[in-house]
Amino acid sequence: GENVEQHPSTLSVQEGDSAVIKCTYSDSASNYFPWYKQELGKRPQLIIDIRSNVGEKKDQRIAVTLNKTAKHFSLHITETQPEDSAVYFCAAKQAGTALIFGKGTTLSVSS
Amino acid sequence: GAGVSQSPSNKVTEKGKDVELRCDPISGHTALYWYRQSLGQGLEFLIYFQGNSAPDKSGLPSDRFSAERTGGSVSTLTIQRTQQEDSAVYLCASSLSFSAQETQYFGPGTRLLVL
Repeated sequence: GENVEQHPSTLSVQEGDSAVIKCTYSDSASNYFPWYKQELGKRPQLIIDIRSNVGEKKDQRIAVTLNKTAKHFSLHITETQPEDSAVYFCAAKQAGTALIFGKGTTLSVSS
Repeated sequence: GAGVSQSPSNKVTEKGKDVELRCDPISGHTALYWYRQSLGQGLEFLIYFQGNSAPDKSGLPSDRFSAERTGGSVSTLTIQRTQQEDSAVYLCASSLSFSAQETQYFGPGTRLLVL
């Protein structure tokens, strides 16, 4: 079955810096790659997703890139703000399966 | 509209007791998923429903765990003879269909503590 690896497990940046979180997946049949943000004590919320026919997608300060050949995808957050502090999860999915999540990255943005 | 809801929000039980966790998906969503999140850990997939059918039960940790969904809506996750290692947040999610590229929306979770 699918396996998703996520790095780093923790990431600390200064406000205004960029943050990058990387994920790799094992099953080349996966074709949907969402990213979720989970604030402390809250439910995971979708922040951006990318489908396999697209290499990059951007939404204001966040962007996701996908390299299907290498089977990895990344989340990029620019101009980080303290409210970006949270746990971020990547996931991968293919037809007929549920989302398989990475173990999460705890992002801390200090002002 | 209303999002995914779960009840109870918190549950404290004694080791060996049975518990039932409930999930109300977004109206019209045919796919429903259960995940478990242990303290500081990722999201562990447990089971999903397509309509009332659960094609993949391989994620259930043991035979003490079971789930059902009736009427294509509400789902119940039951844990029998609870153990301390069952303590976790149990999250439910739903999506419009089981298509590979449908967004999953999560509920607030049930925080289970087994003493």
